[in-house]
Amino acid sequence: KQEVTQIPAALSVPEGENLVLNCSFTDSAIYNLQWFRQDPGKGLTSLLLIQSSQREQTSGRLNASLDKSSGRSTLYIAASQPGDSATYLCAVSAPGGSYIPTFGRGTSLIVHP
Amino acid sequence: NAGVMQNPRHLVRRRGQEARLRCSPMKGHSHVYWYRQLPEEGLKFMVYLQKENIIDESGMPKERFSAEFPKEGPSILRIQQVVRGDSAAYFCASSPIGGTEAFFGQGTRLTVV
Repeated sequence: KQEVTQIPAALSVPEGENLVLNCSFTDSAIYNLQWFRQDPGKGLTSLLLIQSSQREQTSGRLNASLDKSSGRSTLYIAASQPGDSATYLCAVSAPGGSYIPTFGRGTSLIVHP
Repeated sequence: NAGVMQNPRHLVRRRGQEARLRCSPMKGHSHVYWYRQLPEEGLKFMVYLQKENIIDESGMPKERFSAEFPKEGPSILRIQQVVRGDSAAYFCASSPIGGTEAFFGQGTRLTVV
């Protein structure tokens, strides 16, 4: 059974810092990995999707890497801003027909001015 | 193309009542996933459906919970005889045939009083 762990569980940083959020998964036979953002009381916004054959994806100040063999992904946030404050969720999908995403518990990020 | 639509956004039910949560997938998507998010916890998979078929319901509680995705109309998650422990945010996601990226709705927040 796939298990997804995210470290740290919470992070509070001053504005402008570069951040690394970590995600690890126990079964390396994944199809893809997605990073989501969730604001308090809101839904999920997809940030980046990395296929298993890819090593990284970038969108603006966000960069996500994937090392399938070691079961790890990192989300790098450059020059953090208060608007980045949210919970960041990692989800992996496995092959086999269903691609049901399995989620970690998230990293709660606060960026203070 | 509208995103995944869930309604209602907020639902209050008294213990013992029934709750019906609706999810309209994105246009052209035929796969629907339901997740539950308890306070301070991650998203837990409940059920995966395709049109008129339940593909995987391994995350559904054995009693009181049911889901359907009819040929026409939205997917419905039904909770009978709700209890306080059912209070949570329920999220729906959809993906197209052969697609591997899940798109999430804004969720329905169920409160049982």
